[in-house]
Amino acid sequence: QSALTQPASVSGSPGQSITISCTGTSSDVSAYNYVSWYQQHPGKAPKLMIYAVSDRPSGVSNRFSGSKSGNTASLTISGLQAEDEADYYCTSYASGNTWVFGGGTKLTVL
Amino acid sequence: EVQLVESGGGLVQPGGSLRLSCAVSGFTFSSYWMHWVRQAPGKGLVWVSHISGDGSNAGYADSMKGRFSISRDNAKNTLYLQMNSLRVEDTAVYYCARGFGAGRFDPWGQGTLVTVSS
Repeated sequence: QSALTQPASVSGSPGQSITISCTGTSSDVSAYNYVSWYQQHPGKAPKLMIYAVSDRPSGVSNRFSGSKSGNTASLTISGLQAEDEADYYCTSYASGNTWVFGGGTKLTVL
Repeated sequence: EVQLVESGGGLVQPGGSLRLSCAVSGFTFSSYWMHWVRQAPGKGLVWVSHISGDGSNAGYADSMKGRFSISRDNAKNTLYLQMNSLRVEDTAVYYCARGFGAGRFDPWGQGTLVTVSS
């Protein structure tokens, strides 16, 4: 049950687009379409942003989108805004009836 | 309104035990899988355990197997995590979250802090 691999940090200017990658293995990301993404502001509980690789819950801005290719999933945020600055985590269902999270990515809006 | 409220955290010595609770409201508790996820200070999220709606199926992260036990009381709308043989590295905020199908952990509670220290 190794953690999924995410970049430690990414940054972008307001209005730009950024992409956060989430790399797993044949036992998790590439095997199942149960990849989701969470946003966490300091001192707050995580919030669901994307589920089932690319579906967006109601109420989440359409600036957030998800995709997957092989064992790597990605979260793209377009039209960056100051309030997007947060930590982002991916997670995937994994073989053996378990779940695994990524190590997290700190997004800085310059 | 869907709400999840964790409780039971606190300071415990290494080797000790603690039972966390997660009281839920606003949805039919017995219809959903439930999860525990933890976050050590300044670190990332780590999945701990999950349990099916009827309590018949549970899973654990390898590092918690044999020490942690998840359970639920559907009559009381409450999820539990029994933690035994606690280690310093178990220090974390523990969150409960509803498993809302298709891999969704939604929503999350506000978390309860467990500190393991002598």
